[in-house]
Amino acid sequence: AQTVTQSQPEMSVQEAETVTLSCTYDTSENNYYLFWYKQPPSRQMILVIRQEAYKQQNATENRFSVNFQKAAKSFSLKISDSQLGDTAMYFCAFMKLGGNQFYFGTGTSLTVIP
Amino acid sequence: EAGVAQSPRYKIIEKRQSVAFWCNPISGHATLYWYQQILGQGPKLLIQFQNNGVVDDSQLPKDRFSAERLKGVDSTLKIQPAKLEDSAVYLCASSLYKTYEQYFGPGTRLTVT
Repeated sequence: AQTVTQSQPEMSVQEAETVTLSCTYDTSENNYYLFWYKQPPSRQMILVIRQEAYKQQNATENRFSVNFQKAAKSFSLKISDSQLGDTAMYFCAFMKLGGNQFYFGTGTSLTVIP
Repeated sequence: EAGVAQSPRYKIIEKRQSVAFWCNPISGHATLYWYQQILGQGPKLLIQFQNNGVVDDSQLPKDRFSAERLKGVDSTLKIQPAKLEDSAVYLCASSLYKTYEQYFGPGTRLTVT
């Protein structure tokens, strides 16, 4: 079974600063995907970034980047130049290659302070 | 393109009553998912449809929950009878066949009193 752990229930960051959200996972699979989803107060989940486990290069999407450490089973999200609109719940998720089911962590509530 | 639509957005019922949620996926998306998100937890998959067939319902409490996807488009999720522990947000998501990217709807917040 796959488990995803987010050890930071709440975090805050000053506007324009950088923040890193942590995620660790446990799996016996070798090929899988990892995701960060954002869930604003309106509750619609939005994909922020994804990483394929077979790729060594860390994924980057504008201000969002990940630090993927496969051996350590760690997948952290870095948000640079934080904006007020980044305030949301952030979920780390795992999906095995060829699978259909997300395994979500418990989420980190991020507040960007003006 | 239009996103995943869900209704109602909010529902309050008493325990032992019945409730139904509706989902309309993105046009052309063959795969549809229902998730339960209890406060303070990540979403948990309840059931997955591929067109109008069930792919995975291993975590669906079948004694009280049922779901259908007639004609492979819209889907309804029903709870009968509801329990207090069913209070949660019910999320619907859809994806193209055999792709990993799922698009989520806004969810239905159910409160059982």
